[in-house]
Amino acid sequence: AIQMTQSPSSLSASVGDRVTITCRASQPIRDEFGWYQQRPGEAPQLLMSLASDSQREVPSRFRGSGSDTEFTLTITSLQPEDFATYYCLQDYNYPRTFGQGTKVEIK
Amino acid sequence: EVQLLESGGGFVQPGGSLRLSCAASGFNFRNYAMNWVRQAPGKGLEWAATISGSGAGPYYVDSVKGRFTVFRDNSKNTAYLQMTSLRVEDTAVYFCARGTRPYMGALDHWGQGIPVTVSS
Repeated sequence: AIQMTQSPSSLSASVGDRVTITCRASQPIRDEFGWYQQRPGEAPQLLMSLASDSQREVPSRFRGSGSDTEFTLTITSLQPEDFATYYCLQDYNYPRTFGQGTKVEIK
Repeated sequence: EVQLLESGGGFVQPGGSLRLSCAASGFNFRNYAMNWVRQAPGKGLEWAATISGSGAGPYYVDSVKGRFTVFRDNSKNTAYLQMTSLRVEDTAVYFCARGTRPYMGALDHWGQGIPVTVSS
């Protein structure tokens, strides 16, 4: 199974900060990759598919990049509603595998 | 509007069985893979199972193989997760989620989740 290693596991940041989350795949997965946001008590929400294609309702401050084994989610200016846990998921093959999650907390 | 509604969760003793349902609406159900993702209390997301739009596959995480069965009824726009030989470690909130393609793809719509508790 492909392992997805996400870092950091948590971070503290202030409103307006630039935040970067990384996910590394244990083997190349092209751009078959997505980012998800989960607020407490809610279902996850797809932010990005194909590594960098944002979903229609996702604010432009969220940017995805990368391919093969290294992927990055950048939030260019953190907003109060962005405090949540973020997960990556490889869409390349089965079994599907998520990263461990990155909890973004208020500093 | 795409909607996914899970039902069938609850409390069960170890070794017991439950069947989860995911009723879908707002899209051509047979054209999309359906997935089950679970989240144990205080833990991260774990993909559990997927069935393709035509019913091919299905695919499972190793920890549920031989115990869980995913299937679908395209005439009822419903996906199911039959869970048997349940273990305490299967306790989680179970989400159904639509894949963006018939066999794979990102998970672009999710249900609200349904809790399953396995305990004696």
